[in-house]
Amino acid sequence: QVQLQESGPGLVKPSETLSLTCTVSGGSISGYYWSWIRQPPGKGLEWIGYVHFSGSTKYHPSLEGRVTISAHMSTNQFSLKLSSVTAADTAVYYCTRHYNWGTYPLDSWGQGALVTVSS
Amino acid sequence: IVMTQSPLSLPVTPGEPASISCRSSQSLLKSDGYNYLDWYIQKPGQSPQLLIFLGSNRASGVPDRFSVSGSGTDFTLKISRVEAEDVGVYYCMHALQDPRTFGQGTKVEIK
Repeated sequence: QVQLQESGPGLVKPSETLSLTCTVSGGSISGYYWSWIRQPPGKGLEWIGYVHFSGSTKYHPSLEGRVTISAHMSTNQFSLKLSSVTAADTAVYYCTRHYNWGTYPLDSWGQGALVTVSS
Repeated sequence: IVMTQSPLSLPVTPGEPASISCRSSQSLLKSDGYNYLDWYIQKPGQSPQLLIFLGSNRASGVPDRFSVSGSGTDFTLKISRVEAEDVGVYYCMHALQDPRTFGQGTKVEIK
């Protein structure tokens, strides 16, 4: 069964770039779409964007221009970069996999990584 | 697309049924006859997990006490007999187009 694990700094200063990596084990990133989802403390879920193993991407319009999601076949990882962060970007960030059928639902989730934006 | 859930809080009694409503600002019914709607549950202290996809298909391992009715813009997630392990926050999410958006979440807790 595929497992996902987020890693990266838990504290980022305002105006800097948030960087997270998702390591995929128990399966290959090949053949799938991969998304990042975030959840501000005590709030609901927000889709950030996805990357296809081929490298194609799609981002939430509200984050376009600040977000980059990349796939790294050689290391079986994918990553998230969010620039010019503010306190509003403080959240638990989840990496997820899309199941390859139907609505391409998010069938596998990482445990989540809390990122706090603060000076 | 705006997804609206109700209620936002749902106290339930074990063994009794429970229902959660999810409405979308535009129809999620595509020409293939499927509703492009998924449901997730976030159990306390855990990551969300897939519950139902493509309208009414239960994910692997999801018991048949969970079902979804409705089509187009109005959907209802039903739990036929609530069990203690069903507590958590339930989210609907449309998959009609990008960006995918979630409902606000419905917190189900035992009375």
